[in-house]
This record gives sequence, C-alpha cells and structure tokens, in this order.
Amino acid sequence: GAVVSQHPSRVICKSGTSVKIECRSLDFQATTMFWYRQFPKQSLMLMATSNEGSKATYEQGVEKDKFLINHASLTLSTLTVTSAHPEDSSFYICSAIRGGNGYGYTFGSGTRLTVV
Amino acid sequence: DQQVKQNSPSLSVQEGRISILNCDYTNSMFDYFLWYKKYPAEGPTFLISISSIKDKNEDGRFTVFLNKSAKHLSLHIVPSQPGDSAVYFCAASWTGRGSQGNLIFGKGTKLSVKP
Repeated sequence: GAVVSQHPSRVICKSGTSVKIECRSLDFQATTMFWYRQFPKQSLMLMATSNEGSKATYEQGVEKDKFLINHASLTLSTLTVTSAHPEDSSFYICSAIRGGNGYGYTFGSGTRLTVV
Repeated sequence: DQQVKQNSPSLSVQEGRISILNCDYTNSMFDYFLWYKKYPAEGPTFLISISSIKDKNEDGRFTVFLNKSAKHLSLHIVPSQPGDSAVYFCAASWTGRGSQGNLIFGKGTKLSVKP
C-alpha cells in the first residue's frame, strides 16, 4: 500500500533555532500534502495544505512565516519550524492523498518536537 | 467550534465483547467519514470509512454506522481484542467543489480492551 515517510521521528532543539521536518511519499506522487499538529489529548489540527509547485494554504491562526512549507516535488514536502519556542513543542504529522481506500489518505509516522 | 466531536475520551471493554465508539458532527456539508486508529508516537492508520450515501459499512470485525439525520456515526468492533487498544479518531470531510480534501478530526477516544 501507499507509504508516507516522515523524518525525523523525534527531535529536541534549543529555543530560537529552526527545525526541518520532511514528508515523503515513497511509492506514489502526491500533489497535495497536509500538515497536522497534535497537542496532548487533543485532536489532530490541520495547520496547512501543501500544494506541489505553489504556495501552501495555511489555516487561520497558523503563522506562515513561522511554519515554512515547501512542496518542491511530487514526493516531498517539508515543514520548517523557524525560531522555535517551547510552546511549539508538539507532535507534527504529515499526510498525503492517493486514490484507493480511506479516501486515499495516508499518514506519516509523525515527528515529536521538543523545544528546550 | 468543534465540527467533529467525540464526547467520550476513553472506553474500557472486556475482551470478546463489543466496543462502540461514537462520533457526532455539526457540518451538514460533510459527505465522507473515516475512522483512524492511533498508537502513541505514531501516525494514524486508516481503519474504515463510509460515504454519506450509505448508512452502514462493514469490514471484518469493524462496522461503521452513519445516521445522517442525527449527524452521528459509530464504530462497532466485535469481538474486541486486546490488540484493539488504541486511540480511535473519527474524521470527516466534504468532497464537493473547491474542497482541498482535508480531514477534520475529533479529539479521539482511547479504547482499552482488557483480557
């Protein structure tokens, strides 16, 4: 089945630094990828929709200058958390759409970001 | 304003019995619903889905029921197994014109199946 690889799975960074998270579709091309964030005991909240070759669409309340998204190819989208702060600590998950069961939605394994 | 609600944060069931997880939604535009299973520190994995043109979809031990008039869906797991213990997310989407295809998730229900 469709596989979405997300890297790194876990990262600890210092406050003020930037962190890049990669999301790759391994066996299919994804023109659209989604980035979600999950706080403890909360639902997965959509941050932005990443479209290959164009600017990402951000959800209300998500700072586009802080969460930089680049979808340069049909198999790779990256999320860069710039000038990270402790409140950015969260679980970030990407997903991509491919045809088939489950609306074609396939999720990456997630990235646990801890900002110290 | 939460469009997809899972009002039970947790559910405990004995092995072999039925697990019923509930989900309510408010947006009548939603026409596709999904259930995901999630283990800690992992991404969600797709379980089962249902289109709004149906009221029931079954896949092995998993059955999803949709009541459009009540804007309610439920996931039934029969028989429940200890390996089913996880957090279950209900998600909804609308596939109409202009939709980007993103999913709206509930907060999840943690299911514990006891041997």
